[in-house]
Amino acid sequence: RLQESGPGLVKPSETLSLTCNVSGGSITTSLYFWGWIRQTPEKGLEWLATILYTGSAHYNPSVESRVTIFVDTSKNQVSLKMSSVTAADTAVYYCTRRGTTASPVRNAFDIWGQGTVVIVSS
Amino acid sequence: QPMLTQPPSTSGTPGQRVTISCSGSDSNIGRNPVSWYQQLPGMAPKLLIFGDYLRPSGVPDRFSASKSGTAASLAISGLQSEDEASYFCATWNDNLGGLWLFGGGTKLTV
Repeated sequence: RLQESGPGLVKPSETLSLTCNVSGGSITTSLYFWGWIRQTPEKGLEWLATILYTGSAHYNPSVESRVTIFVDTSKNQVSLKMSSVTAADTAVYYCTRRGTTASPVRNAFDIWGQGTVVIVSS
Repeated sequence: QPMLTQPPSTSGTPGQRVTISCSGSDSNIGRNPVSWYQQLPGMAPKLLIFGDYLRPSGVPDRFSASKSGTAASLAISGLQSEDEASYFCATWNDNLGGLWLFGGGTKLTV
């Protein structure tokens, strides 16, 4: 199970911090990547970033300069920081699990959190 | 800018079969496996299909998918009222450093 947590409301130009608690299994597995996807009515679903427990990460080029994803294996958590937010970053943010090529459900996002709403406004 | 194109909406009657298309290019659908997701109103997306046509356990066999060249499609047979949802395709795009792409979604009305 994936459970996101976040501030709900963030002011423009500030840094957004999101955390995903992973329960029911360890994130220290080579079978899955962990990551974040956001959804807005205007742009639909947008992949942001993905990370393996080793720290190897991959970012969407459109947000790469503002986003950092990292894992805390001691807490079984995956987190995302996004700097210099604007109104365009207002969205529902989902924590996701994606199978690697070695996974039974390879190359697909097989588990999603319920999502956390983030509004960027002053 | 790479993109996956889906029709914004479609409809069907109970028991009918409907298909949803997803059009891409050589840099995405043409080279990489496609997955499909169902999103019920107010809920998170749920995986329906991976690896172009494979169903995770628990997904009814009423849902099937295929791919040909740079286009993929999802078929739902024996349509039920609970199938009313938005459906998204997704795949990896090799260009621009690589990124995951999602289609714009198709709203199915039953």
